[in-house]
Amino acid sequence: GAVVSQHPSRVICKSGTSVKIECRSLDFQATTMFWYRQFPKQSLMLMATSNEGSKATYEQGVEKDKFLINHASLTLSTLTVTSAHPEDSSFYICSAGRDRDTQYFGPGTRLTVL
Amino acid sequence: QQQVKQSPQSLIVQKGGIPIINCAYENTAFDYFPWYQQFPGKGPALLIAIRPDVSEKKEGRFTISFNKSAKQFSLHIMDSQPGDSATYFCAASRTGANNLFFGTGTRLTVIP
Repeated sequence: GAVVSQHPSRVICKSGTSVKIECRSLDFQATTMFWYRQFPKQSLMLMATSNEGSKATYEQGVEKDKFLINHASLTLSTLTVTSAHPEDSSFYICSAGRDRDTQYFGPGTRLTVL
Repeated sequence: QQQVKQSPQSLIVQKGGIPIINCAYENTAFDYFPWYQQFPGKGPALLIAIRPDVSEKKEGRFTISFNKSAKQFSLHIMDSQPGDSATYFCAASRTGANNLFFGTGTRLTVIP
């Protein structure tokens, strides 16, 4: 299957700092990438859809000024959690759309805010 | 509102058994139904997917059964192994819309 990478895999930061998570499609170009959030033992919650060269589309209830998304190229999307707080601690997962339906997921980033 | 309902929440089977996970949806516009397998601390991996034009799809030990009239689909794992122990998510999407609607997940444990 297609490969999607995420970096870092794990990050611990202090409250009030900003954290950037990168998502890369390694063997295909993705005009659309997605960012999900997953709490322990729960399903994936779509946060936003990232479109290359345009603004991201955020799901209802997701603060766009807190979760900044940039899709600068066909292989890279970044999610920046600004002024992180303990309640932002979660597992963040990106996915990249290879064709009209298929999405391949990255390995996820575990964010812990102290 | 949960667009895709999944059951059971957890499932324990003996090695060699055939666990069955069920999903149901309401939106008749959905036309793509993938299943994902997720191990702890990892991202979901695409397992198998089906479209409404067929009632069954098989890939290796994994089979999807699809009932369009009932708006239900299920995953069957033949000859289950301890290595199949993971959380399984069904999902649905509409062609062109791209975003996936996930079920709530089923935690499968296969006992040796």
